[in-house]
Amino acid sequence: GDSVTQMEGPVTLSEEAFLTINCTYTATGYPSLFWYVQYPGEGLQLLLKATKADDKGSNKGFEATYRKETTSFHLEKGSVQVSDSAVYFCALISPQGGSEKLVFGKGTKLTVNP
Amino acid sequence: GAVVSQHPSWVICKSGTSVKIECRSLDFQATTMFWYRQFPKQSLMLMATSNEGSKATYEQGVEKDKFLINHASLTLSTLTVTSAHPEDSSFYICSARDWEYRGSMRETQYFGPGTRLLVL
Repeated sequence: GDSVTQMEGPVTLSEEAFLTINCTYTATGYPSLFWYVQYPGEGLQLLLKATKADDKGSNKGFEATYRKETTSFHLEKGSVQVSDSAVYFCALISPQGGSEKLVFGKGTKLTVNP
Repeated sequence: GAVVSQHPSWVICKSGTSVKIECRSLDFQATTMFWYRQFPKQSLMLMATSNEGSKATYEQGVEKDKFLINHASLTLSTLTVTSAHPEDSSFYICSARDWEYRGSMRETQYFGPGTRLLVL
């Protein structure tokens, strides 16, 4: 079945450091890929998405590129801020997978220190 | 756009009572909504898929008589935790499915802010 594997962390960085959170997937066909962010005590917010190979999703300085050849969708940000401290979830939906369910990775907790 | 709200955000109740949680899509219509449960420091666990005008589809191990779901309109789904007990205390999050065309129809799930339930 479909699955998402992401680095579990926790990840601790200093402000203005470069961030990479790795995400790889296994899916049937051509899934849509997502990064969601969950701030403490809140629900999930869609951070960015990509629906086909080589698409780059971007939002709030975060970027991720849909790499079909490596089945990856790594999240990057050039300079993190304290306000980026949150849990980040990589996820996919596979139209051909026979299921309408959103498949999540386990989440990566990011802490950014001043 | 694509905003989903939940109400209430916090609820504390006595054991044995029932609690209703509402999930609304504010600026789009959602024929399908999802209910998740999240335990501390864990990912989301899908409980059920809520379909407008029809019965919900429950995941294996989720008691449908315990967690009643009603999707009465294209913008509202409700989850009722019946006869709540302390083990039902959790963070409940809903999402609503939206569609857009990107070469083919592609879906995105937008999440509500969550409801924290504490059963005493």
